[in-house]
Amino acid sequence: ETGVTQTPRHLVMGMTNKKSLKCEQHLGHNAMYWYKQSAKKPLELMFVYSLEERVENNSVPSRFSPECPNSSHLFLHLHTLQPEDSALYLCASSQGLAGVYEQYFGPGTRLTVT
Amino acid sequence: GQQVMQIPQYQHVQEGEDFTTYCNSSTTLSNIQWYKQRPGGHPVFLIQLVKSGEVKKQKRLTFQFGEAKKNSSLHITATQTTDVGTYFCAGGGTASKLTFGTGTRLQVTL
Repeated sequence: ETGVTQTPRHLVMGMTNKKSLKCEQHLGHNAMYWYKQSAKKPLELMFVYSLEERVENNSVPSRFSPECPNSSHLFLHLHTLQPEDSALYLCASSQGLAGVYEQYFGPGTRLTVT
Repeated sequence: GQQVMQIPQYQHVQEGEDFTTYCNSSTTLSNIQWYKQRPGGHPVFLIQLVKSGEVKKQKRLTFQFGEAKKNSSLHITATQTTDVGTYFCAGGGTASKLTFGTGTRLQVTL
């Protein structure tokens, strides 16, 4: 499945680093999402974008900064992260907003903060 | 806020046995979706249920949406090793939000 791609697939960063995660969807969808998946926790919705506008921000710390330059691309900018931010970060897209449409997930970026 | 719980958290079955996971929401849902995540993989959409009391089948998988639209179940008949993974339900509430359940991890051995 290559409908939603994410880079990098793995990332190790120190707490003082700045890095960005990239997501691209090739499905012509209008909505994109960032999720955090930690061990023993349910998928946590972080941000929702619809037609490049942020429609939801689930009380995410400001050290995570999303950017959606167009409906096909989504970025998550990371700075001064904490070790507890280590997790799998999943990007997803859907035709419309997720309450109605199924979501297509990318393979994720496995992030380790040292 | 809306919470979606699943039970059991983990189940280990012998190949050929049946398996059921249950999903319960604290609020009434507009719809319920089910996803499967293989080990090391990402969630993949399986199905969506919208109507109260709806039942849908996909080969050995049977999905049900409760009459009150607050619970759902996924039943797998005669499990196979290819069924291994974590099954998530996800409840649709407000237009932009899909709340994922806690997931049930299924292990199948020969």
